[in-house]
Amino acid sequence: QVQLQQSGPGLMKPSQTLSLTCAISGDSVSSNSAAWSWIRQSPSRGLEWLGRTYYRSKWYNDYAVSVKSRITINADTSKNHFSLQLKSVTPDDTAMYYCAREVIAVTTPFDYWGQGALVTVSS
Amino acid sequence: SSELTQDPAVSVALGQTVRITCQGDSLRSYYASWYQQKPGQAPIFVIDGKNNRPSGIPERFSGSSSGNTASLTISGAQAEDEADYYCNSRDSSGNYVLFGGGTKLTVL
Repeated sequence: QVQLQQSGPGLMKPSQTLSLTCAISGDSVSSNSAAWSWIRQSPSRGLEWLGRTYYRSKWYNDYAVSVKSRITINADTSKNHFSLQLKSVTPDDTAMYYCAREVIAVTTPFDYWGQGALVTVSS
Repeated sequence: SSELTQDPAVSVALGQTVRITCQGDSLRSYYASWYQQKPGQAPIFVIDGKNNRPSGIPERFSGSSSGNTASLTISGAQAEDEADYYCNSRDSSGNYVLFGGGTKLTVL
């Protein structure tokens, strides 16, 4: 059974860098049949995919156009976790943030999700 | 295409069948997946476009696709099925992920 455990601060000030970590159990961050994503949810934006990291002989990243200039997703194989950094946050980045595993096959569902982390950006 | 469109709300009588749809040009090339979300909880994966269900998801949930429309069907809806349902797929390039706006299902 795959489990994703998220950690990170909940309250931030504008212009700070958001940092969240997702610890994986039951799978490997280096899996050749999965990708590891960050997704956020807010009343104004709904569910919004932010980006993913995955390993296929080397590490790859894909980022949503909406956050591409501000986002970094990294994997740490020694800790079997992956992380999100989002720079220069504004109140518009206030959301519930989820990490999720994306199956890479004929279909590509997000079959496991973290518990979520509410991030509030406020001065 | 960069959008997946869902009806904001659907209702169904207890025990009846309901279909929730998701439309988008990218669905002509990529399968959709469906998620159930109850208040205060993370989304859970319920079915994909090839009708694959994870363990623990009842058989009354099924998925299908035709042209630019993917459908989630609940056959014999139960009170516990009342939730928000989201579809997702890849965009037309295949590199990025799209989510629909969600459908609030009410079981009457």
